[in-house]
Amino acid sequence: DAGVIQSPRHEVTEMGQEVTLRCKPISGHDYLFWYRQTMMRGLELLIYFNNNVPIDDSGMPEDRFSAKMPNASFSTLKIQPSEPRDSAVYFCASSLLWGVDTEAFFGQGTRLTVV
Amino acid sequence: QQQVKQSPQSLIVQKGGISIINCAYENTAFDYFPWYQQFPGKGPALLIAIRPDVSEKKEGRFTISFNKSAKQFSLHIMDSQPGDSATYFCAARLTNTDKLIFGTGTRLQVFP
Repeated sequence: DAGVIQSPRHEVTEMGQEVTLRCKPISGHDYLFWYRQTMMRGLELLIYFNNNVPIDDSGMPEDRFSAKMPNASFSTLKIQPSEPRDSAVYFCASSLLWGVDTEAFFGQGTRLTVV
Repeated sequence: QQQVKQSPQSLIVQKGGISIINCAYENTAFDYFPWYQQFPGKGPALLIAIRPDVSEKKEGRFTISFNKSAKQFSLHIMDSQPGDSATYFCAARLTNTDKLIFGTGTRLQVFP
């Protein structure tokens, strides 16, 4: 398996524009997580899914953020409208049967810059 | 509060030395404590993990020490190598949930 695949790797957009980040989890994994990484706050969990169903979205910062998982092999994180403070690296991760010793596999991230 | 505090923010160690990164958590039940390693331009990857019923776990040059009563845990890297230069994150999973809470990260630089 190629691992968790995220696209695009880099995104530069103007304030107010819609941004869509994409993620393909590892095949067969039950859980999918979206994280945001910044220097100040480190890695923050935004939302996670179990079997394509959103379980906890309490980390989504505002209504401008939304995430979907239409099927087991694809998820999107959308920001509309985008703001400069949304600039960060966004990671998608997946895991199999998230239990005590389960490992989360991260993608390479999408570096978002909002100007 | 669901928070994991990590220190130091950055660490410089000479090759062959010991790198120590500390984490502490507050009044919340966690049942799993992994450490992740992140190289520039890459996503974090699991390095080593421990359960709260164990006080120490060692894998090669990497050791986790866990103090349940003090709500503290630390990562020790023995014989640090330049290839260990990366950002290290401690994390803790909330009991009976799937939420993994990360520390803010420690940037480790090992010089030859």
